[in-house]
Amino acid sequence: GENVEQHPSTLSVQEGDSAVIKCTYSDSASNYFPWYKQELGKGPQLIIDIRSNVGEKKDQRIAVTLNKTAKHFSLHITETQPEDSAVYFCAANSGGGADGLTFGKGTHLIIQP
Amino acid sequence: NAGVTQTPKFQVLKTGQSMTLQCAQDMNHNSMYWYRQDPGMGLRLIYYSASEGTTDKGEVPNGYNVSRLNKREFSLRLESAAPSQTSVYFCASSANRGTNEKLFFGSGTQLSVL
Repeated sequence: GENVEQHPSTLSVQEGDSAVIKCTYSDSASNYFPWYKQELGKGPQLIIDIRSNVGEKKDQRIAVTLNKTAKHFSLHITETQPEDSAVYFCAANSGGGADGLTFGKGTHLIIQP
Repeated sequence: NAGVTQTPKFQVLKTGQSMTLQCAQDMNHNSMYWYRQDPGMGLRLIYYSASEGTTDKGEVPNGYNVSRLNKREFSLRLESAAPSQTSVYFCASSANRGTNEKLFFGSGTQLSVL
């Protein structure tokens, strides 16, 4: 089955700096890679996703890059703000089935004022 | 616009007790899911329903049962709770039939089994 590794587990950056979170996956058949943001006491919320036929996708201050050859994908947040503080999860969907979404263990992003 | 609503938000059970977690979505989504979240473990799929009338096991189904009551509602039942089921439970839905994409999550149920 799919295995998703996420690093780092905790990331502290100064407000205004950039943050990068990295994930690797094991199943070369994986074709969909979402990122979720979870604020304290709330459920995860989809912030961006990318399919395997695209190398990069951007939405305002966030972007995701995908390297299929190396089987890794990354979340980039620029000009970080206090409201970016949260836990971020990557995931990979191997095979496209409803049961195929495997999540990473999460990264706690802390924005220092 | 409520999205995905879960009840209750908190619950404490004794070992062996039973309970049902309720979930309803008002987005006319086809697929619904139950996940559990444990510290350092990410989210793991318990059961899912790709469409009304169907349910299937996920990664960690043991000790749970589900019912897709109608298109809106998907409940999770613990027949005989065990301490290992202490966790935060999330219900989710997606518009696409059985693809696990673009999930909308509820706010969770924190369950403690003593």
